[in-house]
Amino acid sequence: GENVEQHPSTLSVQEGDSAVIKCTYSDSASNYFPWYKQELGKGPQLIIDIRSNVGEKKDQRIAVTLNKTAKHFSLHITETQPEDSAVYFCAAANYQLIWGAGTKLIIKP
Amino acid sequence: EAQVTQNPRYLITVTGKKLTVTCSQNMNHEYMSWYRQDPGLGLRQIYYSMNVEVTDKGDVPEGYKVSRKEKRNFPLILESPSPNQTSLYFCASSLSTGGNYGYTFGSGTRLTVV
Repeated sequence: GENVEQHPSTLSVQEGDSAVIKCTYSDSASNYFPWYKQELGKGPQLIIDIRSNVGEKKDQRIAVTLNKTAKHFSLHITETQPEDSAVYFCAAANYQLIWGAGTKLIIKP
Repeated sequence: EAQVTQNPRYLITVTGKKLTVTCSQNMNHEYMSWYRQDPGLGLRQIYYSMNVEVTDKGDVPEGYKVSRKEKRNFPLILESPSPNQTSLYFCASSLSTGGNYGYTFGSGTRLTVV
């Protein structure tokens, strides 16, 4: 079946540094790629998304890039802050949303 | 405030005792879905609904039932809970079918079956 691979499973960065999380998808017909942030004790929350006709999208300190040829997309967080500590999920959608396994991001003070 | 409301937040029950977890959304979303989240296994879809009276199995439907009699409500029913259904459950809704619009998640229901 279709799948989405997400790496790394855990990422520890110094406060102020950048963090990058990468995902690879298998369904070449996927056309929507959202990223969710899950803080402790809460449900996942959509933080940014990108559609297949766009290569990059930015929203303040976060950005997502998409390479349709290689079938991978990435989340970039710059100037990381303690409140960025959370689990991040990528997903890819054609007619159904396929989730990555999640990345635990730890921001070290 | 646009939201998905799940109840209860925490539930401890015994094996075999039927239970229902409620889910309600106030955004007039067509699509609703239930997920379970277990350590190391990410989010796994249990059931989803594309509209009223239209439901379908996700990846892990065994032991669960759902219904969609009204657009806003999508309850999850465990007819005979077992310990392997101990998990964190999330309800989510989306404007339209499938995953081509962002999901709004509820706050979760932590279920323990003893």
